[in-house]
Amino acid sequence: GIQVEQSPPDLILQEGANSTLRCNFSDSVNNLQWFHQNPWGQLINLFYIPSGTKQNGRLSATTVATERYSLLYISSSQTTDSGVYFCAVSTGANSKLTFGKGITLSVRP
Amino acid sequence: DADVTQTPRNRITKTGKRIMLECSQTKGHDRMYWYRQDPGLGLQLIYYSFDVKDINKGEISDGYSVSRQAQAKFSLSLESAIPNQTALYFCATSDQDANTGELFFGEGSRLTVL
Repeated sequence: GIQVEQSPPDLILQEGANSTLRCNFSDSVNNLQWFHQNPWGQLINLFYIPSGTKQNGRLSATTVATERYSLLYISSSQTTDSGVYFCAVSTGANSKLTFGKGITLSVRP
Repeated sequence: DADVTQTPRNRITKTGKRIMLECSQTKGHDRMYWYRQDPGLGLQLIYYSFDVKDINKGEISDGYSVSRQAQAKFSLSLESAIPNQTALYFCATSDQDANTGELFFGEGSRLTVL
């Protein structure tokens, strides 16, 4: 099945810093989503982005499907950005979403 | 109110007990899913349902069963719980095939089996 690798596995930032989170995948995809899991365990949809670029406030994402990667950008980070960021992809007909192992982000005040 | 609601949010039970986790949604989506998350790992698919009459096994269905009572309701059962089923469980919905449709998650149900 498709492989999803996220990097770096852990990231520590000072409040106000910018960061880039990466998701590499091993096959063509027709669905890619970024999620944020907050410290209480809730999964929040960030972006549905099988291709192209989207922005939502301080967050933006870019997926280059032909090169099999996606990037999540966080600007002016805040402590509330802390948590785990997951990338999930699927490929083919009736295929399930495959999740990466996540990137743990800690933003220090 | 959340669009995808899970009950209970937290449950502690003993080995051998039967447990049911319930999920209801107000998004009007046909497709519903149950995922399991273990500490430090991503999510793994247990079961999914594309409509009321359709039930499919995911990658880790052993030890679990599901029931799709209505378009809006999808429940997950552990017939005889065991400690390695201790995990965080998520229900999710999408309005089309998960390949192309966006997935929306409930708030999670934390299950501990002693």
